[in-house]
Amino acid sequence: KQEVTQIPAALSVPEGENLVLNCSFTDSAIYNLQWFRQDPGKGLTSLLLIQSSQREQTSGRLNASLDKSSGRSTLYIAASQPGDSATYLCALNTGRRALTFGSGTRLQVQP
Amino acid sequence: SAVISQKPSRDICQRGTSLTIQCQVDSQVTMMFWYRQQPGQSLTLIATANQGSEATYESGFVIDKFPISRPNLTFSTLTVSNMSPEDSSIYLCSVRLEGTEAFFGQGTRLTVV
Repeated sequence: KQEVTQIPAALSVPEGENLVLNCSFTDSAIYNLQWFRQDPGKGLTSLLLIQSSQREQTSGRLNASLDKSSGRSTLYIAASQPGDSATYLCALNTGRRALTFGSGTRLQVQP
Repeated sequence: SAVISQKPSRDICQRGTSLTIQCQVDSQVTMMFWYRQQPGQSLTLIATANQGSEATYESGFVIDKFPISRPNLTFSTLTVSNMSPEDSSIYLCSVRLEGTEAFFGQGTRLTVV
């Protein structure tokens, strides 16, 4: 059974700092991995999608990497801003109906 | 990409009543998914809504409690029936385009009192 772990569970950083969020998974048989952002009480916003054949994807200040062999993905946020404060979730598409989600990293960027 | 409109965005309901959540997508999709996110937890799939056939429910979820409609390829509803405080959660609809990228609605924050 696929298990997804996100470390740290919570993170507080000062504005302007670069940071890395981690996602690890136990089964490398995945189709893709997706990073989402969730604001409190709200839905999920798709940030980046990495196909299993890709190593990384970039969008603005965000860069996500994928290393299937080691079962790891990282989300790099450059020059963090208070508006980046949210919970970040990684989710794996293993071919089943449901995505398999990590428990999330709650990020607080202090102004 | 897909734009998903979900409503209501939040509601406070009395126990024993039912709430119907609507989900509208701006493009035709084969499958729509309904998730539940209990407080402090990650997302759990409730069911897959298929157009023209009954929804497929995950273990632990039943049609009598969570009836789903899928009248066409852009719309679905989820009803939470005979609610109890344990049903207080965020409910989210989702689509997956061409089997790859997933998109979610804004969520319905339900509180049962």
